[in-house]
Amino acid sequence: EPEVTQTPSHQVTQMGQEVILRCVPISNHLYFYWYRQILGQKVEFLVSFYNNEISEKSEIFDDQFSVERPDGSNFTLKIRSTKLEDSAMYFCASSEWSYEQYFGPGTRLTVT
Amino acid sequence: TQLLEQSPQFLSIQEGENLTVYCNSSSVFSSLQWYRQEPGEGPVLLVTVVTGGEVKKLKRLTFQFGDARKDSSLHITAAQPGDTGLYLCAGARWKTSYDKVIFGPGTSLSVIP
Repeated sequence: EPEVTQTPSHQVTQMGQEVILRCVPISNHLYFYWYRQILGQKVEFLVSFYNNEISEKSEIFDDQFSVERPDGSNFTLKIRSTKLEDSAMYFCASSEWSYEQYFGPGTRLTVT
Repeated sequence: TQLLEQSPQFLSIQEGENLTVYCNSSSVFSSLQWYRQEPGEGPVLLVTVVTGGEVKKLKRLTFQFGDARKDSSLHITAAQPGDTGLYLCAGARWKTSYDKVIFGPGTSLSVIP
């Protein structure tokens, strides 16, 4: 069964460093998303991406964040200068129809 | 601000018991999804309900969408330890070219053998 994959599974970085989290959505899906979940807290929407552009972003998704679909298969989230409070699980999701989303296993980002 | 509330926040029951968890909002949704999330993993889609009053069954899980499409419930019959996890509801509202999806905070279920 097709699934969303994410790499790396765990990323440790120092404060101020740039990180790129990678996702391979399900191949025939058209809508792509990033969410984050701070340990013990709710799933928070970051950004949605459709037709090669951001369709919506939350207030969390400030100028430090960017997304890209560099080729036909990858979808990336870049954090330019990480802060301690960026430590969280980051989930990529994709959907064929825009409401039924399939999530990847997540990348645990630890900022030290 | 659209909000989805879920209750109870935590639920601990014995194996074999029945339970119901709730998802409520003041907003109308075009569809609603239920997900289960286990620690350290991504949410897994369980079901989508679209029509007001719709009932869907997935083995021992029964999902209902409220008539007004503002609320939903998940009922588990004869809970098993494998049902342990965080149950998330997510409501979708159509916005011109895509659905805006918001997640509730989840109900953490623990089923004790």
